[in-house]
Amino acid sequence: NAGVTQTPKFQVLKTGQSMTLQCAQDMNHEYMSWYRQDPGMGLRLIHYSVGAGITDQGEVPNGYNVSRSTTEDFPLRLLSAAPSQTSVYFCASRSDGGGYTFGSGTRLTVV
Amino acid sequence: DAKTTQPPSMDCAEGRAANLPCNHSTISGNEYVYWYRQIHSQGPQYIIHGLKNNETNEMASLIITEDRKSSTLILPHATLRDTAVYYCIVRLSLNTGTASKLTFGTGTRLQVTL
Repeated sequence: NAGVTQTPKFQVLKTGQSMTLQCAQDMNHEYMSWYRQDPGMGLRLIHYSVGAGITDQGEVPNGYNVSRSTTEDFPLRLLSAAPSQTSVYFCASRSDGGGYTFGSGTRLTVV
Repeated sequence: DAKTTQPPSMDCAEGRAANLPCNHSTISGNEYVYWYRQIHSQGPQYIIHGLKNNETNEMASLIITEDRKSSTLILPHATLRDTAVYYCIVRLSLNTGTASKLTFGTGTRLQVTL
């Protein structure tokens, strides 16, 4: 099915570990973004991309890196995990003028 | 992007219309009004968007006031499955870097009851 695919769905990390959250879309969308959502709060933008090779910081970029080598993929890297990064992470993509399609999320716990 | 204000919660009886208001008094001429919803633990779902004119699709209707300072999302016949947090977002439509941003507030928690 067409859409945004996020892996893994659940992850537990120890403080200081690194990992990559994967995001892929098969809709040929130019725009992709990563958000985090903490309990009881709205979504906050981490990083976004307007096309392959172009990325920029959002509202809460510290502790995260992104790259966009292809149109389809937009991985999010946690460099050294901290308990404050415990959250639900959503990836989203959209076409020009359209609404965003969100993935089902990655639930990350850092202990 | 313009800031939006929404009531924190609303209730609606199943089968009735749910009218969710949003104030965006600082909206500029080239900013669109978008509505998303998030059902518990799922990713947000796009509902509808508009610039000036009222819009309707299979999910909802969007009514934007003539001065564009407020809007109302209408779910014509709410069901239990419409229970969710609804977000009103204002953003630019231009094909620039800032156009890819969605700034989420805390939204309106709609509870549909029997």
